[in-house]
Amino acid sequence: DAGVTQSPTHLIKTRGQQVTLRCSPKSGHDTVSWYQQALGQGPQFIFQYYEEEERQRGNFPDRFSGHQFPNYSSELNVNALLLGDSALYLCASSSGLAGDSNEQFFGPGTRLTVL
Amino acid sequence: AQSVTQLGSHVSVSEGALVLLRCNYSSSVPPYLFWYVQYPNQGLQLLLKYTSAATLVKGINGFEAEFKKSETSFHLTKPSAHMSDAAEYFCAVSSYGNNRLAFGKGNQVVVIP
Repeated sequence: DAGVTQSPTHLIKTRGQQVTLRCSPKSGHDTVSWYQQALGQGPQFIFQYYEEEERQRGNFPDRFSGHQFPNYSSELNVNALLLGDSALYLCASSSGLAGDSNEQFFGPGTRLTVL
Repeated sequence: AQSVTQLGSHVSVSEGALVLLRCNYSSSVPPYLFWYVQYPNQGLQLLLKYTSAATLVKGINGFEAEFKKSETSFHLTKPSAHMSDAAEYFCAVSSYGNNRLAFGKGNQVVVIP
Protein backbone atom coordinates (compact mmCIF):
# COMPACT_ATOMS: atom_id res chain seq x y z
CA ASP A 1 0.00 0.00 0.00
CA ALA A 2 1.74 3.14 -1.22
CA GLY A 3 1.72 6.12 1.07
CA VAL A 4 1.63 9.73 -0.05
CA THR A 5 3.96 10.34 -2.97
CA GLN A 6 5.27 13.65 -4.27
CA SER A 7 7.20 14.67 -7.35
CA PRO A 8 9.70 15.92 -8.09
CA THR A 9 11.96 15.44 -5.09
CA HIS A 10 14.03 18.54 -5.78
CA LEU A 11 13.54 21.49 -8.06
CA ILE A 12 15.61 24.56 -8.89
CA LYS A 13 13.99 27.59 -10.49
CA THR A 14 14.86 31.23 -11.03
CA ARG A 15 12.92 34.27 -9.88
CA GLY A 16 9.85 35.02 -11.96
CA GLN A 17 9.41 31.48 -13.22
CA GLN A 18 6.45 29.22 -12.57
CA VAL A 19 6.50 25.79 -10.94
CA THR A 20 4.12 22.84 -10.59
CA LEU A 21 4.41 20.29 -7.81
CA ARG A 22 2.49 17.03 -7.76
CA CYS A 23 1.02 14.82 -5.06
CA SER A 24 -0.70 11.43 -5.03
CA PRO A 25 -2.62 10.70 -1.83
CA LYS A 26 -2.49 7.53 0.21
CA SER A 27 -4.75 4.81 -1.11
CA GLY A 28 -8.32 5.36 0.09
CA HIS A 29 -7.83 9.05 0.84
CA ASP A 30 -9.76 11.75 -0.97
CA THR A 31 -8.54 14.98 0.64
CA VAL A 32 -5.22 16.69 -0.02
CA SER A 33 -3.64 19.54 1.92
CA TRP A 34 -0.50 21.45 1.04
CA TYR A 35 1.98 22.97 3.48
CA GLN A 36 5.06 25.15 3.03
CA GLN A 37 8.00 24.56 5.38
CA ALA A 38 10.68 27.24 5.24
CA LEU A 39 14.12 26.39 6.57
CA GLY A 40 14.09 26.19 10.37
CA GLN A 41 10.33 26.73 10.62
CA GLY A 42 7.25 24.62 11.13
CA PRO A 43 4.98 23.85 8.18
CA GLN A 44 2.46 26.53 7.20
CA PHE A 45 -0.93 25.57 5.73
CA ILE A 46 -1.40 26.69 2.12
CA PHE A 47 -4.74 25.16 1.10
CA GLN A 48 -6.85 22.03 1.08
CA TYR A 49 -8.70 20.24 -1.72
CA TYR A 50 -11.70 17.97 -1.46
CA GLU A 51 -14.05 16.88 -4.23
CA GLU A 52 -11.90 18.85 -6.69
CA GLU A 53 -12.58 22.14 -4.93
CA GLU A 54 -10.44 24.34 -2.71
CA ARG A 55 -12.07 24.08 0.71
CA GLN A 56 -9.77 26.09 2.94
CA ARG A 57 -6.92 28.47 2.32
CA GLY A 58 -4.16 29.79 4.53
CA ASN A 59 -2.52 33.20 4.37
CA PHE A 60 -0.83 32.80 0.97
CA PRO A 61 -1.09 35.10 -2.05
CA ASP A 62 -2.95 34.26 -5.21
CA ARG A 63 0.34 33.30 -6.83
CA PHE A 64 -0.23 29.99 -5.09
CA SER A 65 -2.93 27.95 -6.76
CA GLY A 66 -3.89 24.33 -6.94
CA HIS A 67 -5.97 21.69 -8.52
CA GLN A 68 -7.38 18.30 -7.61
CA PHE A 69 -8.09 15.66 -10.20
CA PRO A 70 -10.87 13.03 -10.26
CA ASN A 71 -8.38 10.40 -9.04
CA TYR A 72 -7.78 12.64 -5.96
CA SER A 73 -4.22 13.54 -6.93
CA SER A 74 -3.33 17.20 -6.67
CA GLU A 75 -1.06 19.88 -8.06
CA LEU A 76 0.34 22.99 -6.44
CA ASN A 77 1.26 25.82 -8.80
CA VAL A 78 3.31 28.84 -7.87
CA ASN A 79 3.63 31.75 -10.32
CA ALA A 80 6.13 34.59 -10.41
CA LEU A 81 8.52 32.84 -8.04
CA LEU A 82 10.25 34.87 -5.36
CA LEU A 83 13.40 34.01 -3.43
CA GLY A 84 11.20 33.63 -0.36
CA ASP A 85 9.30 30.78 -1.98
CA SER A 86 12.32 28.54 -1.42
CA ALA A 87 11.08 25.87 0.96
CA LEU A 88 10.07 22.26 1.42
CA TYR A 89 6.54 21.76 0.15
CA LEU A 90 4.66 19.01 1.92
CA CYS A 91 1.53 17.27 0.77
CA ALA A 92 -0.76 15.56 3.28
CA SER A 93 -3.74 13.34 2.63
CA SER A 94 -6.70 12.26 4.71
CA SER A 95 -10.05 10.56 4.40
CA GLY A 96 -12.59 13.36 4.26
CA LEU A 97 -12.13 16.87 5.59
CA ALA A 98 -11.81 15.64 9.16
CA GLY A 99 -12.12 11.89 9.08
CA ASP A 100 -10.50 9.45 11.47
CA SER A 101 -9.72 11.95 14.23
CA ASN A 102 -8.25 14.48 11.83
CA GLU A 103 -5.16 12.40 11.11
CA GLN A 104 -3.23 13.37 8.01
CA PHE A 105 -0.47 11.40 6.33
CA PHE A 106 2.45 13.35 4.93
CA GLY A 107 4.56 12.78 1.85
CA PRO A 108 8.34 13.22 1.74
CA GLY A 109 8.06 16.69 0.28
CA THR A 110 9.46 18.60 -2.69
CA ARG A 111 12.45 20.83 -2.00
CA LEU A 112 12.10 24.00 -4.11
CA THR A 113 15.07 26.32 -4.48
CA VAL A 114 14.55 29.70 -6.14
CA LEU A 115 17.71 31.45 -7.36
CA ALA B 1 -7.34 31.11 15.25
CA GLN B 2 -5.36 28.23 16.66
CA SER B 3 -1.66 28.33 17.44
CA VAL B 4 1.10 26.36 19.09
CA THR B 5 4.17 27.54 20.97
CA GLN B 6 7.30 25.43 21.24
CA LEU B 7 10.13 27.02 23.18
CA GLY B 8 13.80 26.27 22.74
CA SER B 9 14.54 25.50 19.11
CA HIS B 10 17.46 23.20 19.96
CA VAL B 11 17.32 20.62 22.75
CA SER B 12 20.34 18.56 23.77
CA VAL B 13 19.86 15.40 25.79
CA SER B 14 22.25 12.70 26.90
CA GLU B 15 21.67 9.17 25.73
CA GLY B 16 19.56 7.40 28.37
CA ALA B 17 18.25 10.65 29.87
CA LEU B 18 14.69 11.96 29.90
CA VAL B 19 13.44 13.70 26.78
CA LEU B 20 11.00 16.54 27.50
CA LEU B 21 9.64 18.78 24.76
CA ARG B 22 7.15 21.47 25.72
CA CYS B 23 4.10 22.47 23.73
CA ASN B 24 1.48 25.06 24.66
CA TYR B 25 -1.53 25.67 22.49
CA SER B 26 -4.12 28.35 21.98
CA SER B 27 -7.55 27.39 20.70
CA SER B 28 -11.05 28.81 21.08
CA VAL B 29 -12.56 25.36 20.57
CA PRO B 30 -11.64 21.96 22.03
CA PRO B 31 -8.35 21.05 20.37
CA TYR B 32 -7.00 17.99 18.70
CA LEU B 33 -3.26 17.85 19.36
CA PHE B 34 -0.47 16.06 17.56
CA TRP B 35 3.25 15.46 17.78
CA TYR B 36 5.13 14.76 14.56
CA VAL B 37 8.77 13.79 14.02
CA GLN B 38 10.81 14.74 10.98
CA TYR B 39 14.09 13.04 10.11
CA PRO B 40 16.53 14.79 7.74
CA ASN B 41 15.25 15.07 4.18
CA GLN B 42 12.01 13.30 5.04
CA GLY B 43 8.37 14.19 5.56
CA LEU B 44 6.48 14.21 8.84
CA GLN B 45 5.69 11.05 10.76
CA LEU B 46 2.94 11.00 13.38
CA LEU B 47 4.22 10.13 16.88
CA LEU B 48 0.94 10.43 18.76
CA LYS B 49 -2.34 12.32 18.89
CA TYR B 50 -4.92 13.55 21.40
CA THR B 51 -8.51 13.64 20.23
CA SER B 52 -10.53 14.18 23.42
CA ALA B 53 -10.28 10.66 24.78
CA ALA B 54 -7.63 9.68 27.37
CA THR B 55 -5.51 12.63 28.46
CA LEU B 56 -2.33 10.51 28.64
CA VAL B 57 -1.50 9.42 25.14
CA LYS B 58 1.08 6.81 24.23
CA GLY B 59 2.73 6.85 20.84
CA ILE B 60 5.37 5.11 18.83
CA ASN B 61 9.03 4.68 19.80
CA GLY B 62 8.32 4.97 23.54
CA PHE B 63 7.00 8.54 23.43
CA GLU B 64 3.99 9.77 25.36
CA ALA B 65 2.26 13.08 25.99
CA GLU B 66 -0.25 14.38 28.50
CA PHE B 67 -3.04 16.81 27.67
CA LYS B 68 -3.56 19.36 30.44
CA LYS B 69 -6.46 21.66 29.69
CA SER B 70 -5.83 23.90 32.72
CA GLU B 71 -2.30 24.57 31.51
CA THR B 72 -3.14 24.50 27.77
CA SER B 73 -0.22 22.14 27.38
CA PHE B 74 0.64 18.93 25.57
CA HIS B 75 4.23 18.15 26.50
CA LEU B 76 6.06 15.22 24.91
CA THR B 77 8.24 12.88 26.98
CA LYS B 78 10.35 9.78 26.62
CA PRO B 79 11.98 8.23 29.70
CA SER B 80 15.26 7.26 28.06
CA ALA B 81 16.71 8.92 24.96
CA HIS B 82 18.20 6.82 22.20
CA MET B 83 20.57 7.96 19.49
CA SER B 84 17.85 7.27 16.93
CA ASP B 85 15.66 9.95 18.58
CA ALA B 86 17.81 12.69 17.05
CA ALA B 87 15.36 14.51 14.77
CA GLU B 88 13.08 17.53 14.62
CA TYR B 89 9.82 17.39 16.54
CA PHE B 90 6.71 19.44 15.81
CA CYS B 91 3.62 19.99 17.90
CA ALA B 92 0.44 20.79 15.97
CA VAL B 93 -3.19 21.66 16.69
CA SER B 94 -6.46 21.27 14.83
CA SER B 95 -10.07 20.93 15.94
CA TYR B 96 -13.09 18.71 15.54
CA GLY B 97 -14.44 18.79 12.01
CA ASN B 98 -11.43 20.64 10.61
CA ASN B 99 -8.11 18.88 10.08
CA ARG B 100 -6.18 21.97 9.03
CA LEU B 101 -3.02 21.86 11.15
CA ALA B 102 -1.26 24.78 12.82
CA PHE B 103 2.32 23.84 13.70
CA GLY B 104 4.84 25.13 16.18
CA LYS B 105 8.33 26.10 15.08
CA GLY B 106 9.75 22.76 16.12
CA ASN B 107 12.46 21.42 18.41
CA GLN B 108 15.69 20.05 16.99
CA VAL B 109 16.73 17.24 19.34
CA VAL B 110 20.39 16.31 19.60
CA VAL B 111 21.31 13.15 21.52
CA ILE B 112 24.74 13.18 23.12
CA PRO B 113 26.45 9.79 23.52
